Amino acid sequence: EIVMTQSPATLSVSPGERATLSCRASQSVSSHLAWYQQKPGQAPRLLIYDVSTRATGIPARFSGSGSGTEFTLTISSLQSEDFAIYYCQQYDDWPPYTFGQGTKLEIK
Amino acid sequence: EVQLVESGGGLVQPGGSLRLSCAASGFTFSSYWMSWVRQAPGQGLEWVANIIQHGSEEYYVDSVRGRFTISRDNAKNSLYLQMNSLRGEDSAVYYCARVGHCTSTRCTFDFWGQGTLVTVSS
Repeated sequence: EIVMTQSPATLSVSPGERATLSCRASQSVSSHLAWYQQKPGQAPRLLIYDVSTRATGIPARFSGSGSGTEFTLTISSLQSEDFAIYYCQQYDDWPPYTFGQGTKLEIK
Repeated sequence: EVQLVESGGGLVQPGGSLRLSCAASGFTFSSYWMSWVRQAPGQGLEWVANIIQHGSEEYYVDSVRGRFTISRDNAKNSLYLQMNSLRGEDSAVYYCARVGHCTSTRCTFDFWGQGTLVTVSS
């Protein structure tokens, strides 16, 4: 089973600033890496798949990068609606699909 | 518009059973793999099960294999999860998710329902 590790657990950033979230896989997942956003009381929403492809309707301020075992989600200029929990997920080697434990992005 | 609406959650005693349903609309249900993903209170996401378009293949996380059964009825655009021998650690919000954006069999979860809460407690 591939273990996904996200850092930091909590990230405090001011609105308008850049946020950088990290995700590490215990073995290579090639380019099969997705990011999800989850707000309190809501279902997760797909943001990014295949490392860097934005899902439909996702603003350009969200970008993904990386390969193999190291991945990054960058939010270029934080808006108030971006404060949420973000999860990475690998879909290279399944079952099982595995998620990171999440990074909580909070307002500084 | 893709919609996934789960139902069937509730309070059940340890060892009991529950059947979750997911009603799908806004897309050709029979063309997609479907999944169940769960989230224990205050915890992260855990994939539970997948089912192929025509229901002939199923996959499970080890912790539920032999206790849970995923199924679908393409005529009714519905996905199901039969949960037996429930344990406290099965308590979670259960999400129905569409499997999409595939490269061969490597796919993401591109749409999610709002979830249904299952609580296993005496």
